[in-house]
Amino acid sequence: SAVISQKPSRDICQRGTSLTIQCQVDSQVTMMFWYRQQPGQSLTLIATANQGSEATYESGFVIDKFPISRPNLTFSTLTVSNMSPEDSSIYLCSVEIGGVGTEAFFGQGTRLTVV
Amino acid sequence: KQEVTQIPAALSVPEGENLVLNCSFTDSAIYNLQWFRQDPGKGLTSLLLIQSSQREQTSGRLNASLDKSSGRSTLYIAASQPGDSATYLCAAPSGTASKLTFGTGTRLQVML
Repeated sequence: SAVISQKPSRDICQRGTSLTIQCQVDSQVTMMFWYRQQPGQSLTLIATANQGSEATYESGFVIDKFPISRPNLTFSTLTVSNMSPEDSSIYLCSVEIGGVGTEAFFGQGTRLTVV
Repeated sequence: KQEVTQIPAALSVPEGENLVLNCSFTDSAIYNLQWFRQDPGKGLTSLLLIQSSQREQTSGRLNASLDKSSGRSTLYIAASQPGDSATYLCAAPSGTASKLTFGTGTRLQVML
């Protein structure tokens, strides 16, 4: 398994501002992902964080709104830019330790409220 | 595009009852399927991972089955306890990619 630490665990932010969420893993991992869970909904994949290159975004998500960094194999950040109340969600980092086809593990999530 | 459906959406049972949660998926070309538990406002805890070559996977009181041909998976919980109260999510990969598509979950409440 993997220990995944996300910071912050929760935050309340003003609209128009940006928040950067950190994800730290206790071992090197190939695959890292960022998901969003809107209130009362299931999880939706935002992007795959690629080490050393630009993230791969899913349909409906763009780099200007959700810039992602992945400087090494244990760390990634997701920024939620120019926030609006619609961005209020739980944001989760996920990893697959053994690569494609192996078990996925999740961080405890960051609960974001935009006011 | 993978689509995942879970039924029922909510379930309330008395303590001690055995129960089955259902998951169906549209793209059967998957290499695994995973079940998770989510407590309110929290992250996800992995419960079971079933590889495409397996039909069942067991962990304690939990047993998950996978039938790729019919696009179905079930999670069986034996002798339910109040501590089992949570939302249970199943997730299937999109084809050969690692990215997961999640069902909408089954919210389980086990009553004393």
